[in-house]
This record gives sequence, structure tokens and C-alpha cells, in this order.
Amino acid sequence: DGGITQSPKYLFRKEGQNVTLSCEQNLNHDAMYWYRQDPGQGLRLIYYSQIVNDFQKGDIAEGYSVSREKKESFPLTVTSAQKNPTAFYLCASSIFGPGGSSYNEQFFGPGTRLTVL
Amino acid sequence: GQQLNQSPQSMFIQEGEDVSMNCTSSSIFNTWLWYKQEPGEGPVLLIALYKAGELTSNGRLTAQFGITRKDSFLNISASIPSDVGIYFCAGLMDSNYQLIWGAGTKLIIKP
Repeated sequence: DGGITQSPKYLFRKEGQNVTLSCEQNLNHDAMYWYRQDPGQGLRLIYYSQIVNDFQKGDIAEGYSVSREKKESFPLTVTSAQKNPTAFYLCASSIFGPGGSSYNEQFFGPGTRLTVL
Repeated sequence: GQQLNQSPQSMFIQEGEDVSMNCTSSSIFNTWLWYKQEPGEGPVLLIALYKAGELTSNGRLTAQFGITRKDSFLNISASIPSDVGIYFCAGLMDSNYQLIWGAGTKLIIKP
């Protein structure tokens, strides 16, 4: 089955530790995205990548880092510099292309809930 | 970052009622997407719209791409308990390839 997987579902971290969230897709999509969602809030873009070995900062990139070494993988590292990392993290992917078409429909993984103890 | 104006923020409805929600912006969009998110899960795409004035249905859900290209509407007819969740709109502008998101409409069905 094609889709997006995120692991783990729940993650606990001590303050001051870096932690990496996994995101894998087998949809052959070019673009991948990381969003953060806080309780009762919408989605805020952290980083996105439109092609392998290239990525761009979103609205709230501070304290996060990413890599895109393979088309199917886009891991997110939450560093100790992120002041308030407890949140629900969502990964998404899309084909990527001109607007007004299905190219930019984003499909989401099940999410990872990160809690800092 | 920029955000769409989505309303209402939440809705309490009786089972069987029709539901309407909308998203507006001062900017022009070439794509509107409507998603539903259930607790602890990722959003699921419900309906995608690509042309001004377009009306698209998915079962009891109907969405419209506003004629001005600055708004979109989602209607749910004859609501049932499994409609509970948060509905998000997202739009794509001509000027960039990043989706702009609304803050969501939380749908709650009265017991």
C-alpha cells in the first residue's frame, strides 16, 4: 500500500536533548513537508523540500533541522535550541507542480506526538 | 506566516442538521483544498477545487471555489456522528507553491 509513515507515534524527550522524527513515503512524491500543530491550533510549516538535497525554511524553522538525502525520506531533528518542542508533528508529501492542478495536494502521515519531560 | 480566515471556529450541531463553513482571504487563490482531521491523526484530503465557481461533491460533502477566487465554502448535509472532527481549508496562490492554511472548524455533535 502506498502512503506516508511516521515513527514513532509517541516520543518523550528530556530537556536539552536532540531528537529525530522519521518520515518515509512510497508515493514517489517529489515534495515533502513538516508541520507543527499545537492543541486547538492549525498547521504551521517548519521546513519543506521540493527535491532531493534541497530544502527551505518555513514559518517556524528556528530550533529545527532537516535533511533530504533520499526522495522517500525527510527526517526532522528537534534540537535543544527549540524552546517549546512539545507538540504534534505532521509530515506530508505532494507531487509538486504548477497551481490549479492536483500536483500540490498534500497527503499526510499519522503524526508523531513529542512530549518534553 | 499568512493564514486564511476560517469560520466558524467551532460548531455544535444536532445529528441530521446541515453544516456550512467557509474560508476567506484578501488574496487570490488557484487551488482550494478541504481536509478533515480526527483526534491524534493526520489530516485527510476530502475535496480539491481548481477553478473559480467550481462545485464538487464527495458523498454528503459539497465544496465550492468562490467566483472571486478569494474564498471557498464547505457544506455537510445530514450530519452523522462520524462527521465529528476538525475541518481545515488550505489554499494555493499563484505567487508560490506553499499551501496557506485556515485555523480549522471544530465540528461537535450534540448528544
